Amino acid sequence: SAVISQKPSRDICQRGTSLTIQCQVDSQVTMMFWYRQQPGQSLTLIATANQGSEATYESGFVIDKFPISRPNLTFSTLTVSNMSPEDSSIYLCSVEGRGSKDTQYFGPGTRLTVL
Amino acid sequence: KQEVTQIPAALSVPEGENLVLNCSFTDSAIYNLQWFRQDPGKGLTSLLLIQSSQREQTSGRLNASLDKSSGRSTLYIAASQPGDSATYLCALGGNYGQNFVFGPGTRLSVLP
Repeated sequence: SAVISQKPSRDICQRGTSLTIQCQVDSQVTMMFWYRQQPGQSLTLIATANQGSEATYESGFVIDKFPISRPNLTFSTLTVSNMSPEDSSIYLCSVEGRGSKDTQYFGPGTRLTVL
Repeated sequence: KQEVTQIPAALSVPEGENLVLNCSFTDSAIYNLQWFRQDPGKGLTSLLLIQSSQREQTSGRLNASLDKSSGRSTLYIAASQPGDSATYLCALGGNYGQNFVFGPGTRLSVLP
């Protein structure tokens, strides 16, 4: 399995500001994924981030709102830009399994509250 | 578009009971199905992964089944314990296991 850490674990932000969430993996992985979990709901994939290329965004998510960086094979960031209360969610990063690309491992998540 | 539902939304049982969680999906063209548990502040933990060609997987007190033709999967938990209290999510993997589509989850409480 992969060990994934995220920073910050939680934050409270003001409307109109931006927050960058970091995701660090203990091994090199090709693909990293960013998910959002809104209150009381399940996970929704935001984008897939490959090292060295632009992230691929799912329907309903755009790069201007959720810019993603993937500078190397163990690290990625997700920025939530120009935040509104509707962005209050848990944001999780995940990676594909080592040795088995059929599963995914998840970080602990970042709980974001926008006032 | 794949749609996933889970029944019940919440469940509360006394310790020691056997229980079944249900997951239904609309598109049977899946690559695999995975059950996760989610604990507050701890992200998701993978419990069982069933490939599309498989019918079930077992790990300890957990058994997951898959019936693609009916669009259903069940997670059976034997002899439940308070430590099993968590939210259980099923996720359908398409496209070589990527692009997971998650169900809304079942929130389980096991009472001592």
